[in-house]
Amino acid sequence: DTEVTQTPKHLVMGMTNKKSLKCEQHMGHRAMYWYKQKAKKPPELMFVYSYEKLSINESVPSRFSPECPNSSLLNLHLHALQPEDSALYLCASSLERGTYEQYFGPGTRLTVT
Amino acid sequence: GENVEQHPSTLSVQEGDSAVIKCTYSDSASNYFPWYKQELGKRPQLIIDIRSNVGEKKDQRIAVTLNKTAKHFSLHITETQPEDSAVYFCAAKEGSARQLTFGSGTQLTVLP
Repeated sequence: DTEVTQTPKHLVMGMTNKKSLKCEQHMGHRAMYWYKQKAKKPPELMFVYSYEKLSINESVPSRFSPECPNSSLLNLHLHALQPEDSALYLCASSLERGTYEQYFGPGTRLTVT
Repeated sequence: GENVEQHPSTLSVQEGDSAVIKCTYSDSASNYFPWYKQELGKRPQLIIDIRSNVGEKKDQRIAVTLNKTAKHFSLHITETQPEDSAVYFCAAKEGSARQLTFGSGTQLTVLP
């Protein structure tokens, strides 16, 4: 099963709101990723978790706060976002060793008003 | 760091024709090259990948070729169908790094 799930599918939030995006995989993958994607552009890496520890933060503003409660779950907490943060937020996962394939979730379409 | 360039940015072909998308990369240490297809409003879907110890890989109508000397790789789609219409992204990954570096994408349109 090469399935990564994400909730919610769509999210509209104001600039003063706090919300969270959730991602789940049950493939036994030990690396999980958050990407941001604008229309017609490639995904931009935000964070990488490896064995539930944050291993890469691509200089993302602190209004985005990732969390990896366990090896199957990944959250992205959002606070005080700006309209330019509106985008498709994609979660992905891969095996930590041996294979490199990254499998993406369906994404959360975020609109900041 | 790695830099991946992808061409063309848009490509229109008639149904049944072949389509070729090309990417070049900068880091000779890169050894993994996936291709993703993204339909409008959907997730990027891994359609084929190749590792640096292989020169060509084929899966039905899709093939990828790799030229390590020239540092470029290409996606070939034969007998194109309207459902092949999507944005295609190439990517490269260096060594044991966990990051993929993506190309800028190619919008493929297959005209019926």
